[in-house]
Amino acid sequence: GAGVSQSPSNKVTEKGKDVELRCDPISGHTALYWYRQRLGQGLEFLIYFQGNSAPDKSGLPSDRFSAERTGESVSTLTIQRTQQEDSAVYLCASSLGYSLNTEAFFGQGTRLTVV
Amino acid sequence: GEDVEQSLFLSVREGDSSVINCTYTDSSSTYLYWYKQEPGAGLQLLTYIFSNMDMKQDQRLTVLLNKKDKHLSLRIADTQTGDSAIYFCAEIGGYNKLIFGAGTRLAVHP
Repeated sequence: GAGVSQSPSNKVTEKGKDVELRCDPISGHTALYWYRQRLGQGLEFLIYFQGNSAPDKSGLPSDRFSAERTGESVSTLTIQRTQQEDSAVYLCASSLGYSLNTEAFFGQGTRLTVV
Repeated sequence: GEDVEQSLFLSVREGDSSVINCTYTDSSSTYLYWYKQEPGAGLQLLTYIFSNMDMKQDQRLTVLLNKKDKHLSLRIADTQTGDSAIYFCAEIGGYNKLIFGAGTRLAVHP
């Protein structure tokens, strides 16, 4: 597609359930990022994929969070045993990665509400 | 480590200039960026500056870079209500990873 696509756009889940969020990056973009943005707050880095390199997972807040990426395409962010504190907008971005001027393109986000 | 810092909030009157400041840590960053997030939307690139430049002007936007102090600023002239948004500063860190500040929320009032 023309841009970064995220699904679902909204997700309401019960506390304790697992959720899976999906990101389709722009074709050809080797770099992919996941961020969390709580209501009224800034971006919180979660994870960074760059080509075939080992992902930078330094931002994952707990072992309940994990992410995978298949080659240079789709990525899924999984949150196990969701908690109310996980409620936020989860943003995905992709970029060319290996270019020196590496503009990141963002999806519209998935709004997760844990009740 | 790699870090980008911004003040969290700025309030200006319509028609005045807004100046949003940012400090970064990676002196090797080749490009520095300003992104804008409007309510309910993702981030979009607003402007960028190459590290060998001191200033870049683009219509109402002026970016100033002080490499010695690792300080980046974004000036918006004649600020309008449509400029109300969150503005994020970003640098390029190791492995070409973009590192964002927490964002500055700009509120424009009449």
